[in-house]
Amino acid sequence: SQKIEQNSEALNIQEGKTATLTCNYTNYSPAYLQWYRQDPGRGPVFLLLIRENEKEKRKERLKVTFDTTLKQSLFHITASQPADSATYLCALVPSYNTDKLIFGTGTRLQVFP
Amino acid sequence: DAEITQSPRHKITETGRQVTLACHQTWNHNNMFWYRQDLGHGLRLIHYSYGVQDTNKGEVSDGYSVSRSNTEDLPLTLESAASSQTSVYFCASSPFSSDKIYEQYFGPGTRLTVT
Repeated sequence: SQKIEQNSEALNIQEGKTATLTCNYTNYSPAYLQWYRQDPGRGPVFLLLIRENEKEKRKERLKVTFDTTLKQSLFHITASQPADSATYLCALVPSYNTDKLIFGTGTRLQVFP
Repeated sequence: DAEITQSPRHKITETGRQVTLACHQTWNHNNMFWYRQDLGHGLRLIHYSYGVQDTNKGEVSDGYSVSRSNTEDLPLTLESAASSQTSVYFCASSPFSSDKIYEQYFGPGTRLTVT
C-alpha cells in the first residue's frame, strides 16, 4: 500500500543542537516533496519544497534532503531554538500524473533551553 | 496583507443538521482546497477547485460538497452531519503554476464537533 511515514513520537532536543526529522514513503514516485510547520491550533505554514532531481535545498537554518533511492527526505534545523518547537509535516505529490498533496501525520519537535 | 480566513473557528452541531464552513482568500489564487485533520491520519483532501465553477472530489469526499461561484470563496457543506465528521477542517489556496508545482497557504482551521 502507499503511505508516508513520519516518526509519531516527539523529538526532544536541546537548544543549539541540530534537529533531524525523517519522512519515509513507500510505493510513490513523487515529483516533489514539501515540508510544512504547524503550531497548535493553527494551520500549516509552508517551509521548503524540493524536487526529485534535487539532492538538497537550504533556507536559512533549514535544510532538506531528498533521496529517491532510499525513498526518504530528511529535514534539518541547525542551531535549534525553543521557537522552533512545533509539528513538522512532510507532503508529497505522488506522481507526475497528479498535483494533489499527500500529507504525513507529522513529527512534533520540542526544543528545550 | 493578503490572507485566508475561515469561519466559524469553532462549531458544535447535532447529527443530521446541514452545516456550512466558510473559506475566503484574498490572495487571488485560482486553486482552493479543503482538508480535514484527525489524529493519526494527517491532513486528508476532501474537495478542491482549480477555478470558478470547477470542483473536484478528493480522498474523503463522501458527505461533503463545495461550490465555487467566485475566486475568493470555497464554502464546504456537510449535507447531514455525522459524528464521524467531527474533526478540524482546513482550507488552503495556491496560485496557478504551469508546472503544477506550488506551495499551499492554509487558513487557521475550523474545529467542528458533531454531537
